[in-house]
Amino acid sequence: EAGVVQSPRYKIIEKKQPVAFWCNPISGHNTLYWYRQNLGQGPELLIRYENEEAVDDSQLPKDRFSAERLKGVDSTLKIQPAELGDSAVYLCASSFRTSGAYNEQFFGPGTRLTVL
Amino acid sequence: AQSVTQLGSHVSVSEGALVLLRCNYSSSVPPYLFWYVQYPNQGLQLLLKYTSAATLVKGINGFEAEFKKSETSFHLTKPSAHMSDAAEYFCAVTNQAGTALIFGKGTTLSVSS
Repeated sequence: EAGVVQSPRYKIIEKKQPVAFWCNPISGHNTLYWYRQNLGQGPELLIRYENEEAVDDSQLPKDRFSAERLKGVDSTLKIQPAELGDSAVYLCASSFRTSGAYNEQFFGPGTRLTVL
Repeated sequence: AQSVTQLGSHVSVSEGALVLLRCNYSSSVPPYLFWYVQYPNQGLQLLLKYTSAATLVKGINGFEAEFKKSETSFHLTKPSAHMSDAAEYFCAVTNQAGTALIFGKGTTLSVSS
């Protein structure tokens, strides 16, 4: 079974440029997460989707960040314009959420963004 | 609010020595707790999880962790370190709604021969 796929793996851009990251979750997983991992830190949740609906975007900096999950499958996270402080690894994860107990999240390899 | 504190940002052991990585949590509800490992330029891989069943949890690669409610701890151990264990380790707790993970800052494990 294929895991969570992310692309690109690495991206280097100048500040003020736009950038987009793509994530394809594990087939059948209805919940998708985007996390940001700053250097030397643990991942922090940016946004969570259940199917195509963003159910938790409270930590997403909405002035420059946007995300979409059309058709409830793959997802795109965009930054426009990028700032130096956006340099980080952006991780995508997916799970099959059912009511009740926590459902295990599976993580992709991440996209390492460097803003110059 | 839920939170996780990992004591020691860097732990160094010799090959064959005991590995002990410390994690303390704060949770307003019975927690689900996790340990993840991250190798360079890779995503997070689940080592083990505590979901209110047995307090001693066994995971992959010979790791185990013990949930101690009285100490609010979930330390990760391995009896004998291997060179391939060198990586970043993250402890995590579910948020109050159980819908996302809250991670600690991570502990880098170095293993010397």
